[in-house]
Amino acid sequence: EAGVVQSPRYKIIEKKQPVAFWCNPISGHNTLYWYLQNLGQGPELLIRYENEEAVDDSQLPKDRFSAERLKGVDSTLKIQPAELGDSAVYLCASSSGTGKGEQYFGPGTRLTVT
Amino acid sequence: QQQVKQSPQSLIVQKGGISIINCAYENTAFDYFPWYQQFPGKGPALLIAIRPDVSEKKEGRFTISFNKSAKQFSLHIMDSQPGDSATYFCAASSRGSQGNLIFGKGTKLSVKP
Repeated sequence: EAGVVQSPRYKIIEKKQPVAFWCNPISGHNTLYWYLQNLGQGPELLIRYENEEAVDDSQLPKDRFSAERLKGVDSTLKIQPAELGDSAVYLCASSSGTGKGEQYFGPGTRLTVT
Repeated sequence: QQQVKQSPQSLIVQKGGISIINCAYENTAFDYFPWYQQFPGKGPALLIAIRPDVSEKKEGRFTISFNKSAKQFSLHIMDSQPGDSATYFCAASSRGSQGNLIFGKGTKLSVKP
């Protein structure tokens, strides 16, 4: 069974530029999460989807961040415009949505904003 | 407000020794407590998880001890190996395994040969 796939793995951009990250969850997993991980810290949830519906986006900075999950499968997280403080690892996770479905993480996208 | 406090920040253990990492939480609504292992450049990988209806769970060399009254839980790694060297995160959720995981700040474990 393939794991959570994320791309790109690394991205370097200048501040004020836009950037997008893509996530393909484990097949059959209807719940998808985007987490932000700063250096030396634990991940923090940005947004959680159940199928195509964003059910928890309270921690997503909506002035510059947006996300979508078309057709309830793949998801894209966008930042526009990027700021220096956005440099971090962006992790995608998925779970089966059943009562005991554990969260499985992808390898993450390391963003560097210069 | 940090809802899950993890200690120590770093830990050095000799090969074959026992590694112990502790976490404390504040929110009594938490009902799911996983531990994740993360290697450099990789995403966190689920190691073991526990729910508050049991006080201990063991899987191979990894054991979670859970103290509901003290609002604390810990990870014990028996017979620690150099391959266990990684960063370990505790986490908690108030909506089971589907919910928003609140992570601790992590413990960097080094196992010396």
